[in-house]
Amino acid sequence: GENVEQHPSTLSVQEGDSAVIKCTYSDSASNYFPWYKQELGKGPQLIIDIRSNVGEKKDQRIAVTLNKTAKHFSLHITETQPEDSAVYFCAASQWGSQGNLIFGKGTKLSVKP
Amino acid sequence: DTAVSQTPKYLVTQMGNDKSIKCEQNLGHDTMYWYKQDSKKFLKIMFSYNNKELIINETVPNRFSPKSPDKAHLNLHINSLELGDSAVYFCASSQGTGQDQPQHFGDGTRLSIL
Repeated sequence: GENVEQHPSTLSVQEGDSAVIKCTYSDSASNYFPWYKQELGKGPQLIIDIRSNVGEKKDQRIAVTLNKTAKHFSLHITETQPEDSAVYFCAASQWGSQGNLIFGKGTKLSVKP
Repeated sequence: DTAVSQTPKYLVTQMGNDKSIKCEQNLGHDTMYWYKQDSKKFLKIMFSYNNKELIINETVPNRFSPKSPDKAHLNLHINSLELGDSAVYFCASSQGTGQDQPQHFGDGTRLSIL
């Protein structure tokens, strides 16, 4: 089955700097890769996603890149702000399921003012 | 308007009891899910369900059972609660069969077993 590894587990940056979180997946048949932001006491919130027919996607300060050959995908946040502080999860959609998501273990991002 | 809502938000109960968690979505989605988040924040799929198929993660004990009275609801019933069931349970939903469709999550139910 699918396995998703996520690094780093914690990341601390200064406000205005960029943050990068990296994930790898094991099943080459996976074709959908969302990123979620989870704030304390809340459910995961979808912030951006990418499908396997696309190499890069951008939405304002957030971008995601996908390398299908290497089975890597990454989240890039530019011009970080204190409100970006949260736990971020990458995920891969399990092939052959009803879109069951296999999550990475999360990255706790702290943005210091 | 809340898209995916779960009740209760907090549930504290004794070991051995039976409890249910309710989930409703007003997005018109066809597929619903239950995930478990443990104390280390690890999120794991438990079930996915649409009107045609229930997919159960093989690691989920049969004490857990999803029940869907209609397309907008997927409740989670747990029998004979154990200490290890303490976690946050999240409901989610997506369009169609769920494949490569964004999933929208509720805010979770924190279950604590005494």
